Amino acid sequence: EAQVTQNPRYLITVTGKKLTVTCSQNMNHEYMSWYRQDPGLGLRQIYYSMNVEVTDKGDVPEGYKVSRKEKRNFPLILESPSPNQTSLYFCASNLVGGANTGELFFGEGSRLTVL
Amino acid sequence: KNQVEQSPQSLIILEGKNCTLQCNYTVSPFSNLRWYKQDTGRGPVSLTIMTFSENTKSNGRYTATLDADTKQSSLHITASQLSDSASYICVVNRRAAGNKLTFGGGTRVLVKP
Repeated sequence: EAQVTQNPRYLITVTGKKLTVTCSQNMNHEYMSWYRQDPGLGLRQIYYSMNVEVTDKGDVPEGYKVSRKEKRNFPLILESPSPNQTSLYFCASNLVGGANTGELFFGEGSRLTVL
Repeated sequence: KNQVEQSPQSLIILEGKNCTLQCNYTVSPFSNLRWYKQDTGRGPVSLTIMTFSENTKSNGRYTATLDADTKQSSLHITASQLSDSASYICVVNRRAAGNKLTFGGGTRVLVKP
């Protein structure tokens, strides 16, 4: 089954404790991206990756890091989480080019609370 | 500036009734526009894609329209069902290297019995 898998789905942590949210897709998509969703603000892009070893900042990259060592995985790293990073996070992937360009396949979301 | 504005922010309708959601964009150059449905606590799922040459497209009870001249799109829900309660997000893809996606803020729809 084609899917994007995120882990953990729920996490409560404390300020400053490094954490990683993993994301994996099985559709051989080149493009992967991370978003946060906050009430009243919609989806905002954090980072994206066009392919292995190619990453770039989205609209709200501060406080986050990513890596793309393999095509299927795109982890989101919070080196020193702060309470303003409490949010619902989504990973997504999609093909680049062709008729389906831009159709994002989203994971189920990771709800993060930073105390 | 590339922007996508959706209206209304939220609406409540009775089961069986129709409703229309609006999406206005200033994204340029335009590549395509997608409507996504997001159930509470779940990831968004694509409903339909509109390209420059398409005026209308249906997916079951969902019908999307596009007016590329006025840069407006709408999503019409016919004979609403309780399962239509969700947020609907308009996303415009800018024709550029890679994916340059601009997200609307979404419209939250609540269908009441």
